[in-house]
Amino acid sequence: DVKVTQSSRYLVKRTGEKVFLECVQDMDHENMFWYRQDPGLGLRLIYFSYDVKMKEKGDIPEGYSVSREKKERFSLILESASTNQTSMYLCASSINTEAFFGQGTRLTVV
Amino acid sequence: GEDVEQSLFLSVREGDSSVINCTYTDSSSTYLYWYKQEPGAGLQLLTYIFSNMDMKQDQRLTVLLNKKDKHLSLRIADTQTGDSAIYFCAESGDYKLSFGAGTTVTVRA
Repeated sequence: DVKVTQSSRYLVKRTGEKVFLECVQDMDHENMFWYRQDPGLGLRLIYFSYDVKMKEKGDIPEGYSVSREKKERFSLILESASTNQTSMYLCASSINTEAFFGQGTRLTVV
Repeated sequence: GEDVEQSLFLSVREGDSSVINCTYTDSSSTYLYWYKQEPGAGLQLLTYIFSNMDMKQDQRLTVLLNKKDKHLSLRIADTQTGDSAIYFCAESGDYKLSFGAGTTVTVRA
């Protein structure tokens, strides 16, 4: 059974903290993605990676960075968390036609 | 996203058909997708259609694609309470998917 696993379901962090969101997939997929989901805005792409050590900016990369040191792991980093980064974060991996999503991490920045 | 648009809410009576509509802007999209998100869960792929097709049927689901108008629809026949969820339309371009804002479908008895 295919699996995309996000390390936390819920996270509460303070403003200014450095935050790491981890995502691991077991399908040997080349492509991995980080989205944030907000009501009325749908999913917006933050960053994606199509190979190890490769990364591309999505539509809303400001305030975020990513790391892909191994094929199965794609990390999203909030360098200095702010309250407007409170959101649901979804990781996905894909090959060809289908993207598989993790369960999401609901991050609250206080 | 602004490249993919869909209405935000749909209320339907149990047993009726639901039709969710979507428009997109990228004429080079290869595949178009419908994803379902149940409360507290990630997104699950429901179905997809290749851009050179105009219809695809899969059990209770029918996808219609009008490539000229860049319009995609999802019809759910005999809608059940378990169909209550958010439905996302998405298009593929290069390596990434662009999603609409999602349509919240509420099934009432």
